[in-house]
Amino acid sequence: QKEVEQDPGPLSVPEGAIVSLNCTYSNSAFQYFMWYRQYSRKGPELLMYTYSSGNKEDGRFTAQVDKSSKYISLFIRDSQPSDSATYLCASDYGGSQGNLIFGKGTKLSVKP
Amino acid sequence: DADVTQTPRNRITKTGKRIMLECSQTKGHDRMYWYRQDPGLGLRLIYYSFDVKDINKGEISDGYSVSRQAQAKFSLSLESAIPNQTALYFCATIEGERSYEQYFGPGTRLTVT
Repeated sequence: QKEVEQDPGPLSVPEGAIVSLNCTYSNSAFQYFMWYRQYSRKGPELLMYTYSSGNKEDGRFTAQVDKSSKYISLFIRDSQPSDSATYLCASDYGGSQGNLIFGKGTKLSVKP
Repeated sequence: DADVTQTPRNRITKTGKRIMLECSQTKGHDRMYWYRQDPGLGLRLIYYSFDVKDINKGEISDGYSVSRQAQAKFSLSLESAIPNQTALYFCATIEGERSYEQYFGPGTRLTVT
């Protein structure tokens, strides 16, 4: 069983919709939880990260971690066509190895 | 200019050929990583290096080798390419121990026929 599970979608929403992207993880030792965004034919780029449980907000994006249920979420408010991309969740022990465990990615399409 | 570059961007090769993918970075980071990305499987770690003399195997290192020629350069080799190594390959770097923030290159699309 992969340690980070993510529904690959695809997910299609109209412009302006609220988008909810979700992952689950199995290793309770994970401390850092990340969301990377990957546009077509590009490398992933860090969107947000959260340490331990809680929420973190950055503009239209909110990352949420619930360690009790091992659930990672990313919410996008007022979604835009430019948000169309693949979103990858990732987790890490927070140690010095830097070996992130990535989910498979969810492909999001925001239609004008 | 991009901070992490990869060459070539696209490559088609035949089964049994040796091929090298190259990664260069101008970020001054010590830690460098090689991943492959496959549809339905996500990103998987092949090799990683903390400095020129410290190279480590990742989740799927069989069939691959690496060379860290300098702090800024990290190459991935397929000694004898096989079709199931067809994938998108990414190089990434990390600043210090900020493991959550990896900087990825643009990727190399490799096809083995």
